[in-house]
Amino acid sequence: SAVISQKPSRDICQRGTSLTIQCQVDSQVTMMFWYRQQPGQSLTLIATANQGSEATYESGFVIDKFPISRPNLTFSTLTVSNMSPEDSSIYLCSVGEGTDTQYFGPGTRLTVL
Amino acid sequence: LAKTTQPISMDSYEGQEVNITCSHNNIATNDYITWYQQFPSQGPRFIIQGYKTKVTNEVASLFIPADRKSSTLSLPRVSLSDTAVYYCLVGPVKAAGNKLTFGGGTRVLVKP
Repeated sequence: SAVISQKPSRDICQRGTSLTIQCQVDSQVTMMFWYRQQPGQSLTLIATANQGSEATYESGFVIDKFPISRPNLTFSTLTVSNMSPEDSSIYLCSVGEGTDTQYFGPGTRLTVL
Repeated sequence: LAKTTQPISMDSYEGQEVNITCSHNNIATNDYITWYQQFPSQGPRFIIQGYKTKVTNEVASLFIPADRKSSTLSLPRVSLSDTAVYYCLVGPVKAAGNKLTFGGGTRVLVKP
């Protein structure tokens, strides 16, 4: 198993600003994933973060809006740029090598005013 | 990845058995059926996975008929702490890029 922590756990931000979310894993992992969960909705994958290469973004998500860093095998950051109220969501990171072994962080609850 | 359909919500009472059925008519030969559970203010966590027939662990049972076009997650004798959203996912064990595709989920409310 993997233990994942995220910082911050929650934040309230003003529109037009940016927030960087950190994800720390207690073991080295190849892939890290970033998801968004809008209020009352399911999870949507934003991107896959691989160490040593650029992140792979899903349809509808772009690097300029959600830049991702993956400096080593235990850490990743997701930045939500130029925020608007529509970006208010829970952002979760996860790690895993298969569909039965995905581990999720507790999430970062973001509110944009 | 195969599309899944599951009820939006279900209510139950403590001590009852809860059965959540997921439809996946387009399931592929190498697809497995996986269920995740998400408590409020937490990330999802894996609870059970199966390919065919029946799988049981300490948390739940998973029933899969021969045609594999549906599956049923069974939670025995639920308690208030089983209130959560349950997601049915269908895809290879080693999905392309190890990605998970979440459907809408079933919100289970356990009442006293």
